[in-house]
Amino acid sequence: DQQVKQNSPSLSVQEGRISILNCDYTNSMFDYFLWYKKYPAEGPTFLISISSIKDKNEDGRFTVFLNKSAKHLSLHIVPSQPGDSAVYFCAASPISNFGNEKLTFGTGTRLTIIP
Amino acid sequence: DARVTQTPRHKVTEMGQEVTMRCQPILGHNTVFWYRQTMMQGLELLAYFRNRAPLDDSGMPKDRFSAEMPDATLATLKIQPSEPRDSAVYFCASGPPWTGFFGANVLTFGAGSRLTVL
Repeated sequence: DQQVKQNSPSLSVQEGRISILNCDYTNSMFDYFLWYKKYPAEGPTFLISISSIKDKNEDGRFTVFLNKSAKHLSLHIVPSQPGDSAVYFCAASPISNFGNEKLTFGTGTRLTIIP
Repeated sequence: DARVTQTPRHKVTEMGQEVTMRCQPILGHNTVFWYRQTMMQGLELLAYFRNRAPLDDSGMPKDRFSAEMPDATLATLKIQPSEPRDSAVYFCASGPPWTGFFGANVLTFGAGSRLTVL
């Protein structure tokens, strides 16, 4: 039962263009959403996050959009650069008063930026 | 630069052997997570701890896997006996104590332990 789904295993984008990665979730208890980026032979690194009280969060070239009614989020990268080539994981969790709750990850989308 | 340290980075073993993977979380972090990366499931949670207490190990095959935190600086994941289907990359991640609503779940991952069971 995949509660966080990334339906596109791979995506190729021309350098300088916009990359859009999508993620859907099924668990209504999820309040907090994150994107992680992973290079080969390294662990995932945190990229950007958004809480359920917002619908957009921006950090430089990266913007995450959340549509709670559709249970959908997306990551926009503009302009795309060759160094953005990596696997991107969407993750979600509930928030509690006790702190970090377990993150549920999607299966990842491999982004390739074409020079 | 604080980091999560995992050992070994690579392990090749034969079916039936015991495998122990170790993780040193970031000093001051109070949550520790074990994830396994597979092609089909992505990153799946095996177990996690808060303040060294196990909170959830429902993702772990109980008959062969065990996870412990003997102290705040060491987490272990043991497989006994190992099977070929256990071949995967195992990640440890740690998270800081609760500081508020935002940034609560920013986990820092180690570089992973790649396990191959023949």
